[in-house]
Amino acid sequence: QKEVEQNSGPLSVPEGAIASLNCTYSDRGSQSFFWYRQYSGKSPELIMSIYSNGDKEDGRFTAQLNKASQYVSLLIRDSQPSDSATYLCAVLSGGYNKLIFGAGTRLAVHP
Amino acid sequence: EPEVTQTPSHQVTQMGQEVILRCVPISNHLYFYWYRQILGQKVEFLVSFYNNEISEKSEIFDDQFSVERPDGSNFTLKIRSTKLEDSAMYFCASSEEGRVETQYFGPGTRLLVL
Repeated sequence: QKEVEQNSGPLSVPEGAIASLNCTYSDRGSQSFFWYRQYSGKSPELIMSIYSNGDKEDGRFTAQLNKASQYVSLLIRDSQPSDSATYLCAVLSGGYNKLIFGAGTRLAVHP
Repeated sequence: EPEVTQTPSHQVTQMGQEVILRCVPISNHLYFYWYRQILGQKVEFLVSFYNNEISEKSEIFDDQFSVERPDGSNFTLKIRSTKLEDSAMYFCASSEEGRVETQYFGPGTRLLVL
């Protein structure tokens, strides 16, 4: 069974701080990794994708991938209260187009 | 910006009834998906669809479920005889040729089976 694991949180950070979210996955054949943001009662919103080892930056967001350790992370710099949401790590299942999601980490940014 | 749309936003039905959930994927997208999320749980893959046929389905997607692309714009999920445990948010997603892995989700349909 291919799994994606995340700490459920909540992760509480003060406004302006860096939030660090982590994810591990079990399928060594996975090549595509995604971070989605989900507000309560809403659908997942794609915020980052990463395919190669290393860092990928987009605005305040940095995704990090280490395939050898089967580890993906998301850093949010200058966290804002509007960043408070559940962050879902998703891995594309090898050979197919289905996304396997983690349970999500709830982030709370307090003023 | 183009987006995936879904109707209805909410559906309440009696156990044993049939429901059809509707989705309009992004217009130039060719790959379509249904996922569901039971309250408080993970988003789970149900089925993927390409070129008018199912390309993969999960264990959840049993004989009670079916998908169809009845015309050039709609993509539907039918649950033939709903059970209490089918209560969940159902999300449609789509992706385009050449960027198949990047899936965009619709707003979801909240299904409540009584």
